[in-house]
Amino acid sequence: DTEVTQTPKHLVMGMTNKKSLKCEQHMGHRAMYWYKQKAKKPPELMFVYSYEKLSINESVPSRFSPECPNSSLLNLHLHALQPEDSALYLCASSQDISGRRTGELFFGEGSRLTVL
Amino acid sequence: GENVEQHPSTLSVQEGDSAVIKCTYSDSASNYFPWYKQELGKRPQLIIDIRSNVGEKKDQRIAVTLNKTAKHFSLHITETQPEDSAVYFCAASGTGFQKLVFGTGTRLLVSP
Repeated sequence: DTEVTQTPKHLVMGMTNKKSLKCEQHMGHRAMYWYKQKAKKPPELMFVYSYEKLSINESVPSRFSPECPNSSLLNLHLHALQPEDSALYLCASSQDISGRRTGELFFGEGSRLTVL
Repeated sequence: GENVEQHPSTLSVQEGDSAVIKCTYSDSASNYFPWYKQELGKRPQLIIDIRSNVGEKKDQRIAVTLNKTAKHFSLHITETQPEDSAVYFCAASGTGFQKLVFGTGTRLLVSP
């Protein structure tokens, strides 16, 4: 199984709503990532978890709150978002064995978020 | 931090032609350079990568070259096919691979 599964595929929310994006992988990968991708732009790194601990936060606003409940799951909690946060949110994972990481990122299909 | 520039932004070729996409990076400490292909509405997928101890790598119709002195690397696709049409992103990262910085992308269109 080389799949990274993201739900929901599409999400529309108002600026006062609270919602969550979910990501799951069963490849035994110990590094998991959230990227944001705007139309016709490259993916931008938001957060990195390594062995269920947050290792990188790219100065993301606190209205985005990541969570890694276990080695297979990654969530992104959304609260009080702005219309400019509308984008494709990509989850990814990579292998991490004894501190030596292979480079390949396995991306999910993404959750397309629209903030009204 | 690392900055990756990518050219051209769009590239149109006829089926069977070759296509070349070029990237430059700023951080001399970067040592891992992958290329991702993203078809319309799909996820990015790794197509080839190269590490700094190698100057060239080939996989069937695709190849990547790396010039560490000049801090640039290139993707070469030979005998292009319509299914090669996609956006291609180069990227660079240092030790640990976690902080991958993507280039701005090249939209490749292969016409039959």
